[in-house]
Amino acid sequence: QIQLVQSGPELKKPGESVKISCKASGYTFTDYAMHWVKQAPGKGLKWMGWINTYTGKPTYADDFKGRFVFSLEASASTANLQISNLKNEDTATYFCARHPQLGYWGQGVMVTVSS
Amino acid sequence: ETVMTQSPTSMSTSIGERVTLNCKASQSVGINVDWYQQTPGQSPKLLIYGASNRHTGVPDRFTGSGFGRDFTLTISNVEAEDLAVYYCLQYGSIYTFGAGTKLELK
Repeated sequence: QIQLVQSGPELKKPGESVKISCKASGYTFTDYAMHWVKQAPGKGLKWMGWINTYTGKPTYADDFKGRFVFSLEASASTANLQISNLKNEDTATYFCARHPQLGYWGQGVMVTVSS
Repeated sequence: ETVMTQSPTSMSTSIGERVTLNCKASQSVGINVDWYQQTPGQSPKLLIYGASNRHTGVPDRFTGSGFGRDFTLTISNVEAEDLAVYYCLQYGSIYTFGAGTKLELK
C-alpha cells in the first residue's frame, strides 16, 4: 500500500538548520510530485510548494522562497525539506503529501525552534 | 494569490443533522477545489477532489459541489467521527488552503 513515512521530531535553536525527510513506498516515486504543507501549532494548513520528482524542479509558494529547499534522493524514494536560519515562527508540523489531489500524506514532523 | 475564504469559522451540530460548509475563492478556479478533513493530532485526509468527486473510501454522506468561485461541502446525517476541521484547497492558481471550518458537537 502507498505510504509516506517522515522523519522524527526536531528541536533546534534559532539560526540553525534542519532537514526532514519523507520516504515513499508502494508506488513509483518519480511518477508523482511531492507537496509540502506547514501547520503551525493550533493553526491551519499552509501550502509551501512542491517538487517534480522526475525532474527535481521545485516550486515554492511566495512565503517560502529563500530559506526553504526541497530536494530528492530519488534512488531512496525520498523527498527532503531543508530549512536554514531557523526562526521561532518556523515552529510547526511539516507534512509531505503526494500529488495529485494530495491523496496521501505523511504523518508530519514537528519542528520546534526555541532558544 | 487566490484567497480561499471559508465560512463559518466554526459550527455546532447534532449527530444526524445535515451541515453545509462554504468556501469562496477570490477569483475563478473552475472546479479545481479539494476538501480535506483533519482530526486532532492526525494528518489531513482527502475527502473530495475536483469540487465534487469523492476520494476512495469516503462515505457518500459527504458531497461536494461548486464551480468558479463558490464551493460547498455538505455532510448529511453527521456522525460523531465527522467532528473535525475541514479545509478547502484550490489549485486553479498555484495552491492555497482556506483557513478551515471547525465542526463541533452542539
